[in-house]
Amino acid sequence: GESVGLHLPTLSVQEGDNSIINCAYSNSASDYFIWYKQESGKGPQFIIDIRSNMDKRQGQRVTVLLNKTVKHLSLQIAATQPGDSAVYFCAECGSGYALNFGKGTSLLVTP
Amino acid sequence: EPEVTQTPSHQVTQMGQEVILRCVPISNHLYFYWYRQILGQKVEFLVSFYNNEISEKSEIFDDQFSVERPDGSNFTLKIRSTKLEDSAMYFCASSELGQADSPLHFGNGTRLTVT
Repeated sequence: GESVGLHLPTLSVQEGDNSIINCAYSNSASDYFIWYKQESGKGPQFIIDIRSNMDKRQGQRVTVLLNKTVKHLSLQIAATQPGDSAVYFCAECGSGYALNFGKGTSLLVTP
Repeated sequence: EPEVTQTPSHQVTQMGQEVILRCVPISNHLYFYWYRQILGQKVEFLVSFYNNEISEKSEIFDDQFSVERPDGSNFTLKIRSTKLEDSAMYFCASSELGQADSPLHFGNGTRLTVT
């Protein structure tokens, strides 16, 4: 069936470095993609979104890249800070109306 | 910044009992949702609600579940006759437009423990 998944379950980076979190999706009809951050004990927090008619979108310290050819989505975090430590989920919305979440990547920022 | 609020933060109930999870969505949002997350697993869609009716529901949302917007601010999820496998974090969310058009904003969840 259709799925959204993440390449790596955990990512460890040093403070100040850039982080890249990857996500693969299989539903070619997906046209809206969102990255969420989830800190321990909290709900998913919206970071950035992108539509399928775009291949790049930038926010504050974050950039989302979308490669529709290979069905790949990435989240880049510039100058990673300890407060960025969390689980990051990609989610897609396409053929149905429900948001489909990936399994999450745990980002650990070390000093 | 406006936020979605959920109560209680933790609910413990015995198997077979009914529970009601409560949510106050962001005030100008029109679409409301319930998702759940079993420990260590991904966030799963349960139901979406718009214009006072369910607009979509997943296979998980069977007859033991129901949702209601009893007044202009609250949005509730009722689980009748809870089962052990209902233990999970339940997240309420809301959005200005539908899920395919605007991001969902989530509350911090209610941790439901069924014993």
